[in-house]
Amino acid sequence: TQLLEQSPQFLSIQEGENLTVYCNSSSVFSSLQWYRQEPGEGPVLLVTVVTGGEVKKLKRLTFQFGDARKDSSLHITAAQPGDTGLYLCAGAGQGAQKLVFGQGTRLTINP
Amino acid sequence: ETGVTQTPRHLVMGMTNKKSLKCEQHLGHNAMYWYKQSAKKPLELMFVYSLEERVENNSVPSRFSPECPNSSHLFLHLHTLQPEDSALYLCASSQDRGWTGNTIYFGEGSWLTVV
Repeated sequence: TQLLEQSPQFLSIQEGENLTVYCNSSSVFSSLQWYRQEPGEGPVLLVTVVTGGEVKKLKRLTFQFGDARKDSSLHITAAQPGDTGLYLCAGAGQGAQKLVFGQGTRLTINP
Repeated sequence: ETGVTQTPRHLVMGMTNKKSLKCEQHLGHNAMYWYKQSAKKPLELMFVYSLEERVENNSVPSRFSPECPNSSHLFLHLHTLQPEDSALYLCASSQDRGWTGNTIYFGEGSWLTVV
């Protein structure tokens, strides 16, 4: 069974600070996705990374896929209250027929 | 607005009730999904439909019964549920089944409380 562990589970920081959240596994994934879920909403896809070592930027968010395609990180620069939400990583296993989700990191940015 | 609409948004039901959750997608997608989201647990895939045919059932108890009458609509029929079934139920769709190059769009979810 492929599992994704996200850390930390909870993170509360002040506006303007930087942060990194992690998504780790002992399994190799053909691709990995990051979602943000705001209260009362469903998850919304932020990015998909496919190649080992790949780095993608989305404004203040930087996503990295590990060289071995077993882990990923999300770095937010100068966090804002609008970044508050549940961040989920999801990996597509070999054959890409199943998407496995981590348990999420609940991020709170305080004004 | 993701193009996937779920109703009702909130549902409280007794353990002997029968109710249904409805999902409609306006994206022309071929695959639709039901997920369960509980506190402190990862999203759990329940059912997958591809071109109106159920292609995956992840050991879900029979008190949950899905129905896909056409490629735009998906239902989850509920009966004799247990309190531990209380959760957020998310519907999702994607162009096709499979995750390479595919984007999955989630609805806003239906909050279910079983009393």
